[in-house]
Amino acid sequence: NAGVTQTPKFRILKIGQSMTLQCTQDMNHNYMYWYRQDPGMGLKLIYYSVGAGITDKGEVPNGYNVSRSTTEDFPLRLELAAPSQTSVYFCASRSTTGGKLFFGSGTQLSVL
Amino acid sequence: KQEVTQIPAALSVPEGENLVLNCSFTDSAIYNLQWFRQDPGKGLTSLLLIQSSQREQTSGRLNASLDKSSGRSTLYIAASQPGDSATYLCAPTTGRGGADGLTFGKGTHLIIQP
Repeated sequence: NAGVTQTPKFRILKIGQSMTLQCTQDMNHNYMYWYRQDPGMGLKLIYYSVGAGITDKGEVPNGYNVSRSTTEDFPLRLELAAPSQTSVYFCASRSTTGGKLFFGSGTQLSVL
Repeated sequence: KQEVTQIPAALSVPEGENLVLNCSFTDSAIYNLQWFRQDPGKGLTSLLLIQSSQREQTSGRLNASLDKSSGRSTLYIAASQPGDSATYLCAPTTGRGGADGLTFGKGTHLIIQP
């Protein structure tokens, strides 16, 4: 059972470039989340989704976009990358009725 | 806005000791609360989940308690081992059925000395 899979694991971008962080889960979870983790700052919620076709902003959505066309996939799009977006990004999912949150292994992104 | 504080920020002890990690949160209207473990360079792993109606949960050497009215949770680790070395994060869930996610503390960085 793969759980939550994130790709790529590492990426270096130049300022102004764009990219998509991929996230897929095979647990049939309706709830999916994107977090960023900065050193000493804890995890911050970027976007979340409660099901296919439904997304909503979290605490720090600026500079990011998401889509949820299927239950399994929840990609995060960075447009016009900025140094402030250097961080570790985590995708997570859980069942509709609540319960444990399952995390992917993360994507370490550097914007130079 | 929910705010979560974890004390201590870091802890280093010899193996075999019993430990208590503390978590406090400002909004007591929570749906549930989870404790996570994070190893360096890895994602988070859920250790224990306590529903708002529960007072505690146990898993092996780990015991988590919840006092919702006072906005506090503790994680008790019995007979600590070097393999317990990691960062431990507390995260209460607020919102409708937990839809808007969890709020994380900054974690307690734990080192167990052999």
